[in-house]
Amino acid sequence: NAGVTQTPKFRVLKTGQSMTLLCAQDMNHEYMYWYRQDPGMGLRLIHYSVGEGTTAKGEVPDGYNVSRLKKQNFLLGLESAAPSQTSVYFCASSYSGQGYGYTFGSGTRLTVV
Amino acid sequence: QQQVKQSPQSLIVQKGGISIINCAYENTAFDYFPWYQQFPGKGPALLIAIRPDVSEKKEGRFTISFNKSAKQFSLHIMDSQPGDSATYFCAARPSFQKLVFGTGTRLLVSP
Repeated sequence: NAGVTQTPKFRVLKTGQSMTLLCAQDMNHEYMYWYRQDPGMGLRLIHYSVGEGTTAKGEVPDGYNVSRLKKQNFLLGLESAAPSQTSVYFCASSYSGQGYGYTFGSGTRLTVV
Repeated sequence: QQQVKQSPQSLIVQKGGISIINCAYENTAFDYFPWYQQFPGKGPALLIAIRPDVSEKKEGRFTISFNKSAKQFSLHIMDSQPGDSATYFCAARPSFQKLVFGTGTRLLVSP
């Protein structure tokens, strides 16, 4: 029972490079979320999805894009990485959008130099 | 207002002591208040949650106290143990919407 799996776990990018973070869940959850965690800032929602083929902006969407082509996968893309995007990124999923039972992945630590 | 204000930012408690973390909110439409626990290198995990129709919920050594009139809720960890050392996030949910998280409290329980 894997739950929510994030890849990669660590990554170092140079400014201007692009990358994609992958989130996969095996719980048949409809809702998926991408958060970033920064010291003193808590968890801030980047983008979320309420179902396959749908995405929406969260609190801090600038500089990121997402796709949900399959129900079990939610991809977070950085087209041109900036040092301000150095952070720990968490993916989460839930059965419904009502806030119950968010299951988080173990995170991706991204450093942009 | 969608904010949830959490304090303190960090907390050091001796083993066996009581850890108290506080959160305050302004949006009266919030109707679900969970607490998440995060260990280093791991994602947050649901610890305990409460609805505004009760003033207290207890699960083992963890208790949520809720004060609807003051729009405040708090997490109490009784008989704190070194294994409780983690970051704790409060959160709140506006009706039928996504969770809003507090900024987190880093708890260290000294042996």
